[in-house]
Amino acid sequence: DTGVSQDPRHKITKRGQNVTFRCDPISEHNRLYWYRQTLGQGPEFLTYFQNEAQLEKSRLLSDRFSAERPKGSFSTLEIQRTEQGDSAMYLCASSLDRGSGNTIYFGEGSWLTVV
Amino acid sequence: DAKTTQPTSMDCAEGRAANLPCNHSTISGNEYVYWYRQIHSQGPQYIIHGLKNNETNEMASLIITEDRKSSTLILPHATLRDTAVYYCIVKTPIQGAQKLVFGQGTRLTINP
Repeated sequence: DTGVSQDPRHKITKRGQNVTFRCDPISEHNRLYWYRQTLGQGPEFLTYFQNEAQLEKSRLLSDRFSAERPKGSFSTLEIQRTEQGDSAMYLCASSLDRGSGNTIYFGEGSWLTVV
Repeated sequence: DAKTTQPTSMDCAEGRAANLPCNHSTISGNEYVYWYRQIHSQGPQYIIHGLKNNETNEMASLIITEDRKSSTLILPHATLRDTAVYYCIVKTPIQGAQKLVFGQGTRLTINP
């Protein structure tokens, strides 16, 4: 499978615990995106990377959230001190920046339930 | 990025063509129209995109009006597996502003 891979697919955690999600983008894709989706809503942009540089962060990305892409390949999204409102599906996506019309491909998402 | 307007929901009979409309009256000259769909509990799936000309691939056809203010996604022979939420998104290729902004989409139900 050469698509975007996310791990774990499902995570249940207690409020206050830290969680980390991993994303492996499509090989050679230099752009990587994180989105969040709650029930009944469309995906909401969180942040994106061009290679290892984090170029944009949404206001949704509070200081409890941190994303990294240390070597410009895989990325991690960490949520510290989780709250029940963090329960959502976290989507990773990647694309190859060719200057125009680049297509963004999504993974299957990581479901987070905070109890 | 320009905003889009889509019907909240649509129904279509299995085997018939599903035509999903999208209005993007404020689209700029360099903005592309993208279509994605999301089947329940899965990540969004890319379908097709276009700038000015009509486009066709193995999944669907995209018809863009001459003034580019609206478009229609056509699934030529809908199957039950096409039941999903379909998102129409306009996106500029300008450097640093290439994220997708999702609206509510159209919930398409294919009926047997």
